[in-house]
Amino acid sequence: KAGVTQTPRYLIKTRGQQVTLSCSPISGHRSVSWYQQTPGQGLQFLFEYFSETQRNKGNFPGRFSGRQFSNSRSEMNVSTLELGDSALYLCASSLTGGQPQHFGDGTRLSIL
Amino acid sequence: ELKVEQNPLFLSMQEGKNYTIYCNYSTTSDRLYWYRQDPGKSLESLFVLLSNGAVKQEGRLMASLDTKARLSTLHITAAVHDLSATYFCAGAGNTDKLIFGTGTRLQVFP
Repeated sequence: KAGVTQTPRYLIKTRGQQVTLSCSPISGHRSVSWYQQTPGQGLQFLFEYFSETQRNKGNFPGRFSGRQFSNSRSEMNVSTLELGDSALYLCASSLTGGQPQHFGDGTRLSIL
Repeated sequence: ELKVEQNPLFLSMQEGKNYTIYCNYSTTSDRLYWYRQDPGKSLESLFVLLSNGAVKQEGRLMASLDTKARLSTLHITAAVHDLSATYFCAGAGNTDKLIFGTGTRLQVFP
């Protein structure tokens, strides 16, 4: 059974640009969550999607957005990139929520 | 809102020794998770603890949960080098919003 797949694995952008990250959950999983990991702030919850609806949201500015498609694949978008957005972005999936989450390998985003 | 505190931040221990990582949380948490992260890698699920008194063991790692004290522990028995990694605890309500602790960076040396 394939795990959670995130693309791309690495990304380099400059300030002011926007970026879209993709996450394909484990087959059959309908809940997808996104996390940001930085050395300073640690692991922080961004948002969770279930059945194409945002179910939970963390404390991030509106520049961070996401969506989920009917096949449960999810994307997150960050607009007007700032240096502080440099981080490892992790996607996790679970069956319906409330179960153990399985994490992807992450997308490492570097802002120059 | 749920807050999770983990200590110690760093742990350097000799092979063969025992140690415990502590995870305190501020409000009711339906579930308590332990994850392992190797450098440059993603998070690997170790344990999920659901109820008071829950104890789970896998190899040299044992996790327990005391919901009254709002405390979970990860006990390492007879550490080996392969256990070197960063360990995170995370709490969750009835959703998939995980609140992580700061992590404990464990280094096991000969």
